[in-house]
Amino acid sequence: AQSVTQLGSHVSVSEGALVLLRCNYSSSVPPYLFWYVQYPNQGLQLLLKYTSAATLVKGINGFEAEFKKSETSFHLTKPSAHMSDAAEYFCAVSVRGGSEKLVFGKGTKLTVNP
Amino acid sequence: GAGVSQSPSNKVTEKGKDVELRCDPISGHTALYWYRQSLGQGLEFLIYFQGNSAPDKSGLPSDRFSAERTGGSVSTLTIQRTQQEDSAVYLCASSLSGGAVDTQYFGPGTRLTVL
Repeated sequence: AQSVTQLGSHVSVSEGALVLLRCNYSSSVPPYLFWYVQYPNQGLQLLLKYTSAATLVKGINGFEAEFKKSETSFHLTKPSAHMSDAAEYFCAVSVRGGSEKLVFGKGTKLTVNP
Repeated sequence: GAGVSQSPSNKVTEKGKDVELRCDPISGHTALYWYRQSLGQGLEFLIYFQGNSAPDKSGLPSDRFSAERTGGSVSTLTIQRTQQEDSAVYLCASSLSGGAVDTQYFGPGTRLTVL
C-alpha cells in the first residue's frame, strides 16, 4: 500500500528565505506524486505533480519539487518565501489501479515571518 | 470556468440527526471523489465515482455513511445518525477521467459540526 510521510508539521521561515518542505513516500509501484496547498478556509489547490516525465517539476507560484527514487523523496522548495506563501501544504501519492484515490500526508503548516 | 462547488459551507447538527452534503463537480468531469479532513486523521479518502462504474466505497468509515451520484454529475454524501466523531470538513473533488495521473480539483468543503 502507498503512504506518504511529511517531516515537520510546522515550518517557520523568514520572508525571502528558502522554503523546504519534506515529503517521503512508500510505494510498491512507480508512483505519481502531488503537492497541494490549502489556504485558510479554502479547498486544496494543486501546486505541481510528478508524472514520471521529468524528475524536476516546476509548479505555480515559484515552487518546484524533485523526485528522487533512491531516496523515495519528493521535497518541495521555493528559493525565496513570500508572506502570501503562508498556508498548509500536503504531499500526496496516487494509487495506481483501482480508484486512483489520493493518499495524503499529514500536512505541513508554513509560517512566513516578516 | 466554474470550479467544484459544495453546499452548505457550514452545517451544525445535533447528535443522532441525519445530514446531506452536496457536491457539484466541474462540468464534463467524469470522476468524483469525497474526502474527509479532520484534526486527528488528516485527509482521508471516502468514496469514488467514475462514470457508470460501481463506486469505490472502500474509505467509508461505517454503514452510516452513503453517497450517490445522480446523472453522472451532482453527488450527495449522507451521514445517518451523526456522531460527534463525524465532525470534520468534507471535501469533494472531481477530475476529467479519474486516471491516477489526473489532477483532482477540490471544492471549498463543508464544515460539519455535530453537537
